[in-house]
Amino acid sequence: TQLLEQSPQFLSIQEGENLTVYCNSSSVFSSLQWYRQEPGEGPVLLVTVVTGGEVKKLKRLTFQFGDARKDSSLHITAAQPGDTGLYLCAGAPVAGGTSYGKLTFGQGTILTVHP
Amino acid sequence: DSGVTQTPKHLITATGQRVTLRCSPRSGDLSVYWYQQSLDQGLQFLIQYYNGEERAKGNILERFSAQQFPDLHSELNLSSLELGDSALYFCASSAGSGRANEQFFGPGTRLTVL
Repeated sequence: TQLLEQSPQFLSIQEGENLTVYCNSSSVFSSLQWYRQEPGEGPVLLVTVVTGGEVKKLKRLTFQFGDARKDSSLHITAAQPGDTGLYLCAGAPVAGGTSYGKLTFGQGTILTVHP
Repeated sequence: DSGVTQTPKHLITATGQRVTLRCSPRSGDLSVYWYQQSLDQGLQFLIQYYNGEERAKGNILERFSAQQFPDLHSELNLSSLELGDSALYFCASSAGSGRANEQFFGPGTRLTVL
């Protein structure tokens, strides 16, 4: 069974601060996705990383996939109250070169950014 | 808007009852996934269908069943409902092929069992 450990579980910071969320596993994933979810709504896909060592930037958000494709991080620069939400990482399994798309989700990080 | 639709938005029912949740995937997506999200369990994968066929199964109870129809919409049937089944149920869809298999989630159905 593949597991994804996310840390920290909770993060409460002031507007303007930087933060990093980590997603770790002992398993290798073919790709890893990050989602953001607001209360009562569905998760929204932020980014997909596929190649080991890959770095993707989305405005103030920087996503990195570990070289061994077992871990990932999300870094937010100068956090804003609008960044508040639940951040989820999800890994797609390596399965003989094809993937049926079953994702393993981390438990999530609840981020609160205070004005 | 992800392009995935789910109905109903809210559902309130009693223990022992049976309900059906409906999902329409994004146009062109062949795969549909069902997830359950509760406060203490996080987002739990239930089942996946690809082009009408069951493709992967997760932590789905025997009281729950699903199917995907020829027009690719899917239904999740929950029967003999218990209080612990109260949760948000999400449907997601993907193109169903390739390494990335990006999934796009619907707005969810909030089920309350009283």
